[in-house]
Amino acid sequence: NAGVMQNPRHLVRRRGQEARLRCSPMKGHSHVYWYRQLPEEGLKFMVYLQKENIIDESGMPKERFSAEFPKEGPSILRIQQVVRGDSAAYFCASSPGEGNTDTQYFGPGTRLTVL
Amino acid sequence: AQSVTQLGSHVSVSEGALVLLRCNYSSSVPPYLFWYVQYPNQGLQLLLKYTTGATLVKGINGFEAEFKKSETSFHLTKPSAHMSDAAEYFCAVRGGATNKLIFGTGTLLAVQP
Repeated sequence: NAGVMQNPRHLVRRRGQEARLRCSPMKGHSHVYWYRQLPEEGLKFMVYLQKENIIDESGMPKERFSAEFPKEGPSILRIQQVVRGDSAAYFCASSPGEGNTDTQYFGPGTRLTVL
Repeated sequence: AQSVTQLGSHVSVSEGALVLLRCNYSSSVPPYLFWYVQYPNQGLQLLLKYTTGATLVKGINGFEAEFKKSETSFHLTKPSAHMSDAAEYFCAVRGGATNKLIFGTGTLLAVQP
């Protein structure tokens, strides 16, 4: 069973460009979470999605950031007009259900560098 | 609101020595607690989790943790460190109406030969 897939693994963007990060959950998982890890910090929750629905976006910055998890295809985290402060590692996790005891399985992350 | 505090951002032990990584949590509801390990440039791997039941939880790679409600702690231990244990360890809490994980700031474990 393939794990959580993220691509690209590394992404370099110049200030003002758009960044698109993709996440394919584990087979059979319908719940996706995005976390951001800034340098020297722990992971911070950004958004929780189910297929075609955003369940909790309490950790998403109010501007420039959006996320989707369409019926078909991977989940996408989109950052418009990137700034240097967006440089971080972005991790996706998936789980099979919505129970609080469910384990979240993490992908390898996308490391975004904004020049 | 829930939160996690990991005491000691850097811990160094000798190979074969006891590993003790500290985690204290704050939660207004019964917490579910997790320890994850992160190797350089990789994602997080679950070591162990506490949900309900037995308070001593055994995980992978010889690690275990004990949930102590009276001390609001969930410290991670391993009797004998191995060089391959060198990594960053994150404690996390989850519970209540939200499914999101709240992480501590991490503890970087170094193992000296």
